[in-house]
Amino acid sequence: GIQVEQSPPDLILQEGANSTLRCNFSDSVNNLQWFHQNPWGQLINLFYIPSGTKQNGRLSATTVATERYSLLYISSSQTTDSGVYFCAVPIKAAGNKLTFGGGTRVLVKP
Amino acid sequence: ETGVTQTPRHLVMGMTNKKSLKCEQHLGHNAMYWYKQSAKKPLELMFVYSLEERVENNSVPSRFSPECPNSSHLFLHLHTLQPEDSALYLCASSQQGASTDTQYFGPGTRLTVL
Repeated sequence: GIQVEQSPPDLILQEGANSTLRCNFSDSVNNLQWFHQNPWGQLINLFYIPSGTKQNGRLSATTVATERYSLLYISSSQTTDSGVYFCAVPIKAAGNKLTFGGGTRVLVKP
Repeated sequence: ETGVTQTPRHLVMGMTNKKSLKCEQHLGHNAMYWYKQSAKKPLELMFVYSLEERVENNSVPSRFSPECPNSSHLFLHLHTLQPEDSALYLCASSQQGASTDTQYFGPGTRLTVL
């Protein structure tokens, strides 16, 4: 079955809107990363967050490891936030290798 | 981020060509990775090197041949590829190759096989 699942798969936002992206995972984890992939393919690290809450500017993330999910919040979205957001966790069934979800494709319209 | 660089950024090759992708990390890390990202599919781990030794080979066809001459450089040698190998190839590095590591990615090489 799906071991790292992200929702929604696609998200269209008006500039200035807030949104929440979700990542569900099947294992207990000691690592969870959120990435933003820009339109040129570059994967940018957003958060390393195996548990708890972190904030970085307009972005914040919360991981509830006991319930096996993580949330990424985008506030006051800007057009530069467009791209694909991935979460990645090590999955035991995959030999503890970092396993990526399918991503959430975000389009922020001006 | 400029900690991990990849060249070339774009590559078009025929099925009979031989080419190599290069990755260099400037972060002092000991582990390096190759990932493949195809359209509509999650990133797939191909190879992992830790301290210049290959520790993971995820059933990748032999037409992909990695090389890690030192902890800062990683190559992916390509020969007799198929059109379905067209994808974005991403290199990453991390401190030790542990599951708790943060991985840092290069900008990728977009490969088209004709």
